[in-house]
Amino acid sequence: AQSVTQLDSQVPVFEEAPVELRCNYSSSVSVYLFWYVQYPNQGLQLLLKYLSGSTLVKGINGFEAEFNKSQTSFHLRKPSVHISDTAEYFCAVSDPLGGSNYKLTFGKGTLLTVNP
Amino acid sequence: DARVTQTPRHKVTEMGQEVTMRCQPILGHNTVFWYRQTMMQGLELLAYFRNRAPLDDSGMPKDRFSAEMPDATLATLKIQPSEPRDSAVYFCASGPPGTTQIIQYFGAGTRLSVL
Repeated sequence: AQSVTQLDSQVPVFEEAPVELRCNYSSSVSVYLFWYVQYPNQGLQLLLKYLSGSTLVKGINGFEAEFNKSQTSFHLRKPSVHISDTAEYFCAVSDPLGGSNYKLTFGKGTLLTVNP
Repeated sequence: DARVTQTPRHKVTEMGQEVTMRCQPILGHNTVFWYRQTMMQGLELLAYFRNRAPLDDSGMPKDRFSAEMPDATLATLKIQPSEPRDSAVYFCASGPPGTTQIIQYFGAGTRLSVL
């Protein structure tokens, strides 16, 4: 079974600073990778996804992530954060070749707090 | 702006009562997922439907939970009887046809408190 580790449960940063949220997944032959964002009292919203092709994936709100197969990582980055980026961020993985390829396995989440 | 609609948004009930949560998937979507989110366990998949048929409910406590799709526009999750440990946020998500695009669109959730 897949597993996802988000190494930091909380990341506080100042506005306009760069940020990296880390995500590692258990190894598999091939994977689909996702980052979702959850704003307070809301559902999860897809930020970006990696299905195949270029390992650098750009998403909404200026976020990007890089798929690193050798390190089984999919870290999320933004060069300059805003107060409005304060939210919880979830990394998720699915196994496209597995019998349950619809299943997303989520990490425990990283709370990003952007301070003025 | 199409979205997944969940009702109610908040529910407070007493232990032993029946709880029904409803979800209206995005029109045209043929997959529906139910998740439970708690501080301790994070997001857990409870059930998965495709074309209204339940394909996976292995994450759901069978003795008290049930999930159905009476029609393509309505999915329900019932808990009977409810217990305090069921307190959580329950999310419904739906997805478009095509298994290569595993994109799930989430509703805003139902926050359940069982006293």
